[in-house]
Amino acid sequence: AQSVTQLDSHVSVSEGTPVLLRCNYSSSYSPSLFWYVQHPNKGLQLLLKYTSAATLVKGINGFEAEFKKSETSFHLTKPSAHMSDAAEYFCVVSDDPNSGGYQKVTFGTGTKLQVIP
Amino acid sequence: GAVVSQHPSWVICKSGTSVKIECRSLDFQATTMFWYRQFPKQSLMLMATSNEGSKATYEQGVEKDKFLINHASLTLSTLTVTSAHPEDSSFYICSARASGRKETQYFGPGTRLLVL
Repeated sequence: AQSVTQLDSHVSVSEGTPVLLRCNYSSSYSPSLFWYVQHPNKGLQLLLKYTSAATLVKGINGFEAEFKKSETSFHLTKPSAHMSDAAEYFCVVSDDPNSGGYQKVTFGTGTKLQVIP
Repeated sequence: GAVVSQHPSWVICKSGTSVKIECRSLDFQATTMFWYRQFPKQSLMLMATSNEGSKATYEQGVEKDKFLINHASLTLSTLTVTSAHPEDSSFYICSARASGRKETQYFGPGTRLLVL
């Protein structure tokens, strides 16, 4: 079984200040983890992904996330928020059991990021 | 919370056949639905955006004649993979945006397609 918990449904930061979007997961297997961003009226866009390589993953637009197995966390950070970062962010876990290659994907409930000028 | 269902959850078919996948919003009306596909350990790829009552908008590189999308009602969108081939084997996920609730979106559980 797998699950994803995004701890904050809304986060508000001032422009130029750091961003922290929290995500905790559970998985019975070695998971792949993703962060997606969705701007209004747009589809999901991949920010970054972790697939058992380096635990610190760098993504697009200055975002990065660190996989911490001991804490079962995959928090998304950015040193300095920009107005264009205002969007909704989804944490996603995907595991790959050894039975027939079936892969299950579970989405977090999303975190809406507001950036205040 | 709002629920989005997909049917079937699993489908195995022979090469050359067509497969229809349904995406339903069970307790809300959805004016916009998105269709994604995912390969193992890869990210989701947006295939198309469908708005109720109008033609779907396909992403670059997605064959509209291969992946037919119909959004005939506010609670149902279908994706038909025509003349499926093994390379179409993938995990297909839909999401639905609730009417009148700005930016609220709900994801379906996904459909695993295996083409033999």
